[in-house]
Amino acid sequence: EPEVTQTPSHQVTQMGQEVILRCVPISNHLYFYWYRQILGQKVEFLVSFYNNEISEKSEIFDDQFSVERPDGSNFTLKIRSTKLEDSAMYFCASNDRGYEKLFFGSGTQLSVL
Amino acid sequence: GENVEQHPSTLSVQEGDSAVIKCTYSDSASNYFPWYKQELGKRPQLIIDIRSNVGEKKDQRIAVTLNKTAKHFSLHITETQPEDSAVYFCAASARGSYIPTFGRGTSLIVHP
Repeated sequence: EPEVTQTPSHQVTQMGQEVILRCVPISNHLYFYWYRQILGQKVEFLVSFYNNEISEKSEIFDDQFSVERPDGSNFTLKIRSTKLEDSAMYFCASNDRGYEKLFFGSGTQLSVL
Repeated sequence: GENVEQHPSTLSVQEGDSAVIKCTYSDSASNYFPWYKQELGKRPQLIIDIRSNVGEKKDQRIAVTLNKTAKHFSLHITETQPEDSAVYFCAASARGSYIPTFGRGTSLIVHP
């Protein structure tokens, strides 16, 4: 079965640094998402992306965050100036019709020191 | 926006017992209710889902029920096994939003 892939699996960064988390959604999917999960807490929605633009975003997704689909396969999440509270597992997800089963990647564990 | 409440936060059962996890939602327009299982250190994976035009759905030992009037839905696992141990998340989403809102998760522990 096709899978969403994410790189890196772990990222350690210093507070104030920029990070880019990378995702390759399933190839025929049209809707892309970023979620995050702080240790022991629920999965929180950050942003959705469709037709090369953001379709929805949460309050968490402030101007420190951005997403991009630089080519036909990658989908990236950039955090411009990381804060300690950005430490979390970041999951990319995709699906082909929105409003349907989400296929999650294996996540990137971001640690901000 | 949608708000999903999930109970209990932890559930401990003996192997072979049944487990029930309950969720409520706030937006009456929500019409898709998936359940995800997340094993320790792994990605969430869909185990079952239900749409608002159906009251119950079953897949082997797993079943989900939906009460639209009361705005709650439940996951039922029968004959639990140790490999059912995981965190289970319910979610709700409405057409037009495309964004599932997740509950806080239930940590299910099945003791052999």
